[in-house]
Amino acid sequence: GESVGLHLPTLSVQEGDNSIINCAYSNSASDYFIWYKQESGKGPQFIIDIRSNMDKRQGQRVTVLLNKTVKHLSLQIAATQPGDSAVYFCAENLISSGSARQLTFGSGTQLTVLP
Amino acid sequence: NAGVMQNPRHLVRRRGQEARLRCSPMKGHSHVYWYRQLPEEGLKFMVYLQKENIIDESGMPKERFSAEFPKEGPSILRIQQVVRGDSAAYFCASSYRGLYEQYFGPGTRLTVT
Repeated sequence: GESVGLHLPTLSVQEGDNSIINCAYSNSASDYFIWYKQESGKGPQFIIDIRSNMDKRQGQRVTVLLNKTVKHLSLQIAATQPGDSAVYFCAENLISSGSARQLTFGSGTQLTVLP
Repeated sequence: NAGVMQNPRHLVRRRGQEARLRCSPMKGHSHVYWYRQLPEEGLKFMVYLQKENIIDESGMPKERFSAEFPKEGPSILRIQQVVRGDSAAYFCASSYRGLYEQYFGPGTRLTVT
């Protein structure tokens, strides 16, 4: 679906705590999901991806969980650091279609890490 | 090992002028995507190109906007007769031959005065 021009949801966490960022995706047929991190004035940076045949995937300090039943995606960041402060976007895609590979982005969450 | 490069990083145009945004994909990548981002919003897909071909332009406005990815040289997003509503950040992403990970450039911030 279309994203709406709303103020970004915000999440503030203490340095060293774990962060959980949530995303509701729009297309029940989507089969590929990515989390991006975007710092101010920069382009989105790939963090981690997951395909719909999985419900969990772990990276370095990050874990993505996928719940297809309720079309929900979450990003967990362990031991959050000041450098993690940024806007986090989830994006979805339908790769099994074999055609267009456009990503559909969610509206983003602003993560602020407090000292 | 350069990433996706975009230039200019900032572009100011008066209403009615033309804007040309350039994108050089990562080395070895032959798929390019353009996205537009308004303040405090997610990125919106515009167009997907492979070398010399437009694969999907379903997100492009019907008028004034065009894109190309020639055999040699960068991909170009061209906006003719710009209006204030075109002010946004324009991001280019590239991927390797149909793999799914898209890597983004730093963006071009277009301001129309």
